[in-house]
Amino acid sequence: QKEVEQDPGPLSVPEGAIVSLNCTYSNSAFQYFMWYRQYSRKGPELLMYTYSSGNKEDGRFTAQVDKSSKYISLFIRDSQPSDSATYLCAIKSGSEKLVFGKGTKLTVNP
Amino acid sequence: GAGVSQSPSNKVTEKGKDVELRCDPISGHTALYWYRQSLGQGLEFLIYFQGNSAPDKSGLPSDRFSAERTGGSVSTLTIQRTQQEDSAVYLCASSPGGGALYGYTFGSGTRLTVV
Repeated sequence: QKEVEQDPGPLSVPEGAIVSLNCTYSNSAFQYFMWYRQYSRKGPELLMYTYSSGNKEDGRFTAQVDKSSKYISLFIRDSQPSDSATYLCAIKSGSEKLVFGKGTKLTVNP
Repeated sequence: GAGVSQSPSNKVTEKGKDVELRCDPISGHTALYWYRQSLGQGLEFLIYFQGNSAPDKSGLPSDRFSAERTGGSVSTLTIQRTQQEDSAVYLCASSPGGGALYGYTFGSGTRLTVV
């Protein structure tokens, strides 16, 4: 079983839709949870991070962590065409390495 | 510079040749990471440098891969005797160190094509 599983999509939604992106992980030692956004031919950029179960909100984005189920989610409200990108979850234990999901490609259609 | 700089942005090389990829991290960042991103495979950890400590090389896929970091700043990833399966985007990232709690800052990557 891979350490982090993420549905690669692709996911296509109309502008204004609520988007839900998800990852599952296998190692209960993971402590920190992040979401990166990657535009085409660019490096990933950090979108949100959290280290506890529950929700964290930042504008139209909400990160949710359920440690008991080893499940993390990113919700995007009122999605915009500029949100079209690949979204990667990233998880870290006590070491310095981040373990990434494969990424979900999202397209928001005007 | 303001961000992580990688060069070249694109590299096409013939199978069997050696290549060097360069990363210039954010000034003051003590931690530097190399990842590889292949189509459909996500980001694969290669190597991690933290200050003057011995690097964590646990992700290097074979002894054809090596990396060094000079003066705690610029890093070079070297791939010897390149193979077609080495074709990928090689991403460098840096962080302030002391824990990647706030995540890394990535460069735009070097797209390597081995023909």
